[in-house]
Amino acid sequence: GAVVSQHPSWVICKSGTSVKIECRSLDFQATTMFWYRQFPKQSLMLMATSNEGSKATYEQGVEKDKFLINHASLTLSTLTVTSAHPEDSSFYICSARVRTSGSYEQYFGPGTRLTVT
Amino acid sequence: QKEVEQNSGPLSVPEGAIASLNCTYSDRGSQSFFWYRQYSGKSPELIMFIYSNGDKEDGRFTAQLNKASQYVSLLIRDSQPSDSATYLCAVINTGGFKTIFGAGTRLFVKA
Repeated sequence: GAVVSQHPSWVICKSGTSVKIECRSLDFQATTMFWYRQFPKQSLMLMATSNEGSKATYEQGVEKDKFLINHASLTLSTLTVTSAHPEDSSFYICSARVRTSGSYEQYFGPGTRLTVT
Repeated sequence: QKEVEQNSGPLSVPEGAIASLNCTYSDRGSQSFFWYRQYSGKSPELIMFIYSNGDKEDGRFTAQLNKASQYVSLLIRDSQPSDSATYLCAVINTGGFKTIFGAGTRLFVKA
């Protein structure tokens, strides 16, 4: 299957600072990238969907000014958590979708564990 | 009604048995169906995808799709303790804009 990388794999930051997470599709060009958040023992929660060169579409309840998404190319998307607070501590996972013959396949990055102190 | 429904489990099976995981979806126009495995603390891993009615086999895994019944399942033969994980069913909706995930079924394979 296709490979999606994420960096960093974990980060600890102080309250009020910003953190940037990178997501790359290594061996394919992704038509769409997705950002998810997952709290312990809970389901994946879709935060936003982004297409290269256009603004991200945020899910209801997700603050677009707090979670900045930039989809600079077909292989790179970034999520910046601005003015992070302890309640933003979570597991952030990106996912990239590729068009295949007749349909799509979607692959996940390994995730970034964010801890805000 | 949730868009993608799965029994949360836990589903417990003995080692060597067949584990059967089920999923129903509400969008009749959905075309693409996926099964992911997620170990605790890790991100989901794609294990199977299926687009056409019928069965699709890959090693110990068989995905089954019945679009008329809006039902997709995953069978794991010869279950191993290492198969213990949460299995997520996912469906790409009509138009292909969104991937909708079920809440997942926790599987325990007892040695």
